[in-house]
Amino acid sequence: GENVEQHPSTLSVQEGDSAVIKCTYSDSASNYFPWYKQELGKRPQLIIDIRSNVGEKKDQRIAVTLNKTAKHFSLHITETQPEDSAVYFCAAVTQGGSEKLVFGKGTKLTVNP
Amino acid sequence: KAGVTQTPRYLIKTRGQQVTLSCSPISGHRSVSWYQQTPGQGLQFLFEYFSETQRNKGNFPGRFSGRQFSNSRSEMNVSTLELGDSALYLCASSPGTSGRGETQYFGPGTRLTVL
Repeated sequence: GENVEQHPSTLSVQEGDSAVIKCTYSDSASNYFPWYKQELGKRPQLIIDIRSNVGEKKDQRIAVTLNKTAKHFSLHITETQPEDSAVYFCAAVTQGGSEKLVFGKGTKLTVNP
Repeated sequence: KAGVTQTPRYLIKTRGQQVTLSCSPISGHRSVSWYQQTPGQGLQFLFEYFSETQRNKGNFPGRFSGRQFSNSRSEMNVSTLELGDSALYLCASSPGTSGRGETQYFGPGTRLTVL
């Protein structure tokens, strides 16, 4: 079955710096890759997603890149702010008529003021 | 639209008991998925229901079961609770009709503690 690896598990940056989180997936049939942000005690919330027919997608300070050949995708956050501090999860959905999300183990991002 | 809701929000049970958790999806969404979140294992897929039918199932023992009603509300049941079942149980809903990956919206979760 699908497996998603996520690195690093923790990341600490200074406010204003960039943060990069990387994920790899195992199933070449995966076609949808969302990223979720989960603040302490709250539900996961989608921040950006990308489909397998697109190489890059950007939304203000957040961008995601996808390399289908290497089976990896990355989240880039620029100009980080303290409110970006949270746990970020990458996930993959494999084509096949189901909405099953396979998650990475998460990255705890801390943005220091 | 109202978001995904889950009840109860907190639950304390003892080993051997059973528990039922409820999830109401966003209006119009027909797919409901359940996930178990623990510090050690992260977010793990339990099962997905679409139009009252289980469409996919994760690698959990048969003690974990679920169902979906005609109004798309879903319940999951855990029988013969074990200490290791202590977790945050999240449900997520999506339209469920594209079959190619849709945005899933999560509920606030039910925090289950097994003593």
